[in-house]
Amino acid sequence: NAGVTQTPKFRVLKTGQSMTLLCAQDMNHEYMYWYRQDPGMGLRLIHYSVGEGTTAKGEVPDGYNVSRLKKQNFLLGLESAAPSQTSVYFCASSYGPYRGSSYEQYFGPGTRLTVT
Amino acid sequence: AQSVTQPDIHITVSEGASLELRCNYSYGATPYLFWYVQSPGQGLQLLLKYFSGDTLVQGIKGFEAEFKRSQSSFNLRKPSVHWSDAAEYFCAVGALDRGSTLGRLYFGRGTQLTVWP
Repeated sequence: NAGVTQTPKFRVLKTGQSMTLLCAQDMNHEYMYWYRQDPGMGLRLIHYSVGEGTTAKGEVPDGYNVSRLKKQNFLLGLESAAPSQTSVYFCASSYGPYRGSSYEQYFGPGTRLTVT
Repeated sequence: AQSVTQPDIHITVSEGASLELRCNYSYGATPYLFWYVQSPGQGLQLLLKYFSGDTLVQGIKGFEAEFKRSQSSFNLRKPSVHWSDAAEYFCAVGALDRGSTLGRLYFGRGTQLTVWP
């Protein structure tokens, strides 16, 4: 069981470039999430998905898009990267929609993105 | 609105000393509470969780936490800290997302723990 994996681990982009971060989980979880982590800010939810083909906005969705074409994968896209998107991005997944279980999230190792 | 406050940004303790990390939450209903730990360059690992029942919960790595409804707190404790415990610790409350049935986590800003040898 690999759990939650993320690719790539590191990336440097120039302003205006685009990229896609890939998250994969092998636990058959229904829910998947994308967070960003910035110093002193904790984790902030960007987008989430409650099942294959469904996505929704979190706290800080602007500048990002997501897709969940397969249950095990959740993609985060940056169409036109900006320096403000320099951050560490974490993917997570959880069982759901059962009471309590949807809150217990399993995290990937993170992707460190720098936008210059 | 739901929120989590971790009042201490940074704590330093000596190895072998006891530890308490504070967490206060704001949520109108019965909360689901979590503590996660993040070692440098790593993702978040679940230390322990509280859903219901006994208010003192045990977790991995010798950690425990106590839910106190009257104080809206869920403080993390360890009787004797090891150097390997140096990491960042996040408290989180599970709550329904506004206007939806999605259960999601709301994180505090974290407490960085330094352990002196």
